[in-house]
Amino acid sequence: AQTVTQSQPEMSVQEAETVTLSCTYDTSESDYYLFWYKQPPSRQMILVIRQEAYKQQNATENRFSVNFQKAAKSFSLKISDSQLGDAAMYFCAYRESSGDKLTFGTGTRLAVRP
Amino acid sequence: DAGITQSPRHKVTETGTPVTLRCHQTENHRYMYWYRQDPGHGLRLIHYSYGVKDTDKGEVSDGYSVSRSKTEDFLLTLESATSSQTSVYFCAISGVAGGMVETQYFGPGTRLLVL
Repeated sequence: AQTVTQSQPEMSVQEAETVTLSCTYDTSESDYYLFWYKQPPSRQMILVIRQEAYKQQNATENRFSVNFQKAAKSFSLKISDSQLGDAAMYFCAYRESSGDKLTFGTGTRLAVRP
Repeated sequence: DAGITQSPRHKVTETGTPVTLRCHQTENHRYMYWYRQDPGHGLRLIHYSYGVKDTDKGEVSDGYSVSRSKTEDFLLTLESATSSQTSVYFCAISGVAGGMVETQYFGPGTRLLVL
């Protein structure tokens, strides 16, 4: 079974600085998708970014980018120019390319210091 | 935002009572999912549906049942609620394009407390 590991339960960053959240996964598949979801205090789950494993180029969405290392099975999220609104729980998730279910990590709580 | 609503948003119930949570979508998506979120566990899949009347179990399905009689509605039932089912429940939906399941989008969640 696939597993997703987020080894940092909590992280903190100064406003306007950059922070990287780590995620590793275990799979025997060669084709899959990886996701980062954000959960602010409102509890709404919001898709931040998505990466297809067959694409070598790292996905980017404005201030959010990923470092996808397929051989190392690593999928980290970099947040640049951190803002107070970035404070949230962040979840990494995995899905097989032909699958229909997500496997989530346990989350990393990010605090942003003003 | 994906058109997903959950009802109720908050519920307090007693051990042994039946509870039904409703997920409603306006996106006409084929797939619907129920997750529970607990501290230290992230989100875990309870049940999911890949079409009307087509459902399957997730990793934590014991004590839960589901039904989907219409594309837009997916019901989660706790037949006899227990304190271990105190949790936040999320519904999610995803469409299909080119034969591939698309990204999941989530509802606002339901906070359930079983006393």
